[in-house]
Amino acid sequence: KAGVTQTPRYLIKTRGQQVTLSCSPISGHRSVSWYQQTPGQGLQFLFEYFSETQRNKGNFPGRFSGRQFSNSRSEMNVSTLELGDSALYLCASSPGDSEKLFFGSGTQLSVL
Amino acid sequence: DAKTTQPTSMDCAEGRAANLPCNHSTISGNEYVYWYRQIHSQGPQYIIHGLKNNETNEMASLIITEDRKSSTLILPHATLRDTAVYYCIAATTDSWGKLQFGAGTQVVVTP
Repeated sequence: KAGVTQTPRYLIKTRGQQVTLSCSPISGHRSVSWYQQTPGQGLQFLFEYFSETQRNKGNFPGRFSGRQFSNSRSEMNVSTLELGDSALYLCASSPGDSEKLFFGSGTQLSVL
Repeated sequence: DAKTTQPTSMDCAEGRAANLPCNHSTISGNEYVYWYRQIHSQGPQYIIHGLKNNETNEMASLIITEDRKSSTLILPHATLRDTAVYYCIAATTDSWGKLQFGAGTQVVVTP
């Protein structure tokens, strides 16, 4: 089985712009979770989608949003980018019945 | 979810067993203990999880104390590729993707 695929691998944006990141889960997995990783805060949970519905949400501002499509692929969007949004954004998929998550390699976002 | 406590770092000689401790004294009855690791510049990788019985898979063994207040992850024969940050996490089956990753333990395997 192919693993979790995240695109793009690297991204450079400027403050005020918006960005969309993509995640393709493992085939058959219906749950997709998103995490932000920074040197200062570590890994922090953003949100989780299951069958196109957001089931869980972390403590991030409304500028961070996501969605899931009928084929389980997911996107996350960050609007009005700030310097502090520079981070590695990780996507993970799972069948949805446990917390055995399979992570992608992430998208490294740099905001200048 | 229960908070977990792990040592900041530990070294291990290649070929020897690595024993990684984790304290989770406030774990509730329906919380599992999960272990993940993150090799530099990669996403976290699931290792193993358990509720109260000891578990073993091709990667590692998980020993959970009878009172469930602590556990130990055992890498039986550490290799240089096991150098990573190891995370111990307590979570229920309906955490819905939300795992509380702490700072973890930086494990360095030396030749």
